Amino acid sequence: KAGVTQTPRYLIKTRGQQVTLSCSPISGHRSVSWYQQTPGQGLQFLFEYFSETQRNKGNFPGRFSGRQFSNSRSEMNVSTLELGDSALYLCASYYGQSTDTQYFGPGTRLTVL
Amino acid sequence: AQSVTQPDIHITVSEGASLELRCNYSYGATPYLFWYVQSPGQGLQLLLKYFSGDTLVQGIKGFEAEFKRSQSSFNLRKPSVHWSDAAEYFCAVGEGNNDMRFGAGTRLTVKP
Repeated sequence: KAGVTQTPRYLIKTRGQQVTLSCSPISGHRSVSWYQQTPGQGLQFLFEYFSETQRNKGNFPGRFSGRQFSNSRSEMNVSTLELGDSALYLCASYYGQSTDTQYFGPGTRLTVL
Repeated sequence: AQSVTQPDIHITVSEGASLELRCNYSYGATPYLFWYVQSPGQGLQLLLKYFSGDTLVQGIKGFEAEFKRSQSSFNLRKPSVHWSDAAEYFCAVGEGNNDMRFGAGTRLTVKP
């Protein structure tokens, strides 16, 4: 079974632009979560989607948004990029029960210049 | 508020030596606790998790962790470290996978 895939793997943007990251979960998984990883703040939870609905949300500004499609694929969008948004964005998926094992993708490395 | 502390930013051990990575948590209820490992350029891989029951949890790659409620700790151990164990290790706490909070991580270097 294929793992969690994220595209693109690397991305360079400039301040003020917007960006969309994509995540394809493991087949059969209905929950997708997004995390931001930076050297300064570490790993922080952004949001979780389950069956096309946002189920949980972390403490990030409204510039960060996401959505999930009927095939469970998810996209994350960041508008009006800031330098501080440079990070590794990780996506994770699991079947749907909160105690299921969560599997992470390799991440998208976003650099904002 | 829930939080996780990993006191050691960087640990160096010799190959074949034993390993213990420390994790302390703050949580209002019975916590769900996790250990993940991240190799360079990779995502996170779950080593083990604790929800309830036996406080000594066995994981993959020969790792184990012990939940000690009285000390609010969930330390990760391995009796004999291999060079391939060099990576960054994260402890996390949450209500299952919901709103998981991660520690800052401990980077493990393995000397030959």
